[in-house]
Amino acid sequence: EVQLVESGGGLVQPGGSLRLSCAASGFTFSIYSMSWVRQAPGRGLEWVANINQDAREKYYVDSVKGRFTISRDNAKNSLYLQMNSLRAEDTAVYFCATDGFDIWGQGTMVTVSS
Amino acid sequence: QAGLTQPPSVSKGLRQTATLTCTGNSNNVGDQGAAWLQQHQGHPPKLLSYRDNKRPSGISERFSASTSGNTASLTITGLQPEDEADYYCLAWDSSLSARVFGGGTKLTVL
Repeated sequence: EVQLVESGGGLVQPGGSLRLSCAASGFTFSIYSMSWVRQAPGRGLEWVANINQDAREKYYVDSVKGRFTISRDNAKNSLYLQMNSLRAEDTAVYFCATDGFDIWGQGTMVTVSS
Repeated sequence: QAGLTQPPSVSKGLRQTATLTCTGNSNNVGDQGAAWLQQHQGHPPKLLSYRDNKRPSGISERFSASTSGNTASLTITGLQPEDEADYYCLAWDSSLSARVFGGGTKLTVL
């Protein structure tokens, strides 16, 4: 079964850090560029970052540049999002997806609050 | 970062046809077109069409996409109750080196 499973979300204080993981199975992860997309409660989708197959190319939305880092480990079929200096406005469900957006995970909730 | 512009809501009757629009500029929609995704409440998005208005396998022929200039459109024919959902367009913006989403359109099937 083709699957993406996110983990690592939770409650964190402003200024804190979290590392999200996304485990891929059922397809050849290493040949896909991957993205993180987030959705704040009651709001629309916002693209966060993407990474190409060999991790040499990474792009970010302006609001997370310098704070978030996307990475991958093709040997472990895993995608990551290191989130530092978290702000209240980063509160959202974070989805991982193939960069063609044909495969999505169920999402993991990140809440930034004191 | 500027996103793509979608009408917040559209309402149509059962079995009617709905056309959803997504307006960008020459750096995004006008350059590489847009993808369309459907999202039901509490679920992850689902891809309906992608670059060059192609449909992934398993997506009903009732969904068709097109692009004219800087505007992308998604047409849904024979509206069914299950089509009631939020619809998002998505494009790569070459000036921003980033992907941009539209704000989403909530489709109500009356």
